[in-house]
Amino acid sequence: NAGVMQNPRHLVRRRGQEARLRCSPMKGHSHVYWYRQLPEEGLKFMVYLQKENIIDESGMPKERFSAEFPKEGPSILRIQQVVRGDSAAYFCASSPNLQPFSGNTIYFGEGSWLTVV
Amino acid sequence: TQLLEQSPQFLSIQEGENLTVYCNSSSVFSSLQWYRQEPGEGPVLLVTVVTGGEVKKLKRLTFQFGDARKDSSLHITAAQTGDTGLYLCAGAGVSSGSRLTFGEGTQLTVNP
Repeated sequence: NAGVMQNPRHLVRRRGQEARLRCSPMKGHSHVYWYRQLPEEGLKFMVYLQKENIIDESGMPKERFSAEFPKEGPSILRIQQVVRGDSAAYFCASSPNLQPFSGNTIYFGEGSWLTVV
Repeated sequence: TQLLEQSPQFLSIQEGENLTVYCNSSSVFSSLQWYRQEPGEGPVLLVTVVTGGEVKKLKRLTFQFGDARKDSSLHITAAQTGDTGLYLCAGAGVSSGSRLTFGEGTQLTVNP
């Protein structure tokens, strides 16, 4: 887990508010992934980004969710008008190259736990 | 949709016993990873297997990738209390590119 930094680690939002989760990948990594882990469920892919590009957002809910990875600064996962069902752990991961699963390593951060009250 | 089924979902054993966790799918994966996750933390990669039939060992842990690259197993020899945790398998699909499909995990408890 060393190197992938996520903040905040814990976030409480009231229904209807916005949540912003940040992820700084490991040094030298230009590929970022976001996964969501709902209570008592496995991790589900949300989105894959490279600098200034969304490569695959097939796992993102169509509404209220967006992600970006700007040229400078961390990747941000933004959830607008949060609802109780958005309560989950959101994990960011990073990898150094185009094909991270051909034997190369993907590193996960420690997660951001969102609670919607 | 690719699915990975892990079994058993829960496993409670005594220290010193051996155990095997299974990860099965009807889909072919280009690679498969095993992770361990502690409460309140992110998954930590244990191993990646890429070649059908591949076997990798990590101290007391042995990982195997099925010949057809549809299934995998994790075997722990002489379990220790420190092995307690959630074990997750995750597959990278042949056509899904960067997406990992995760199993729902096996919660292992090793009792002293």
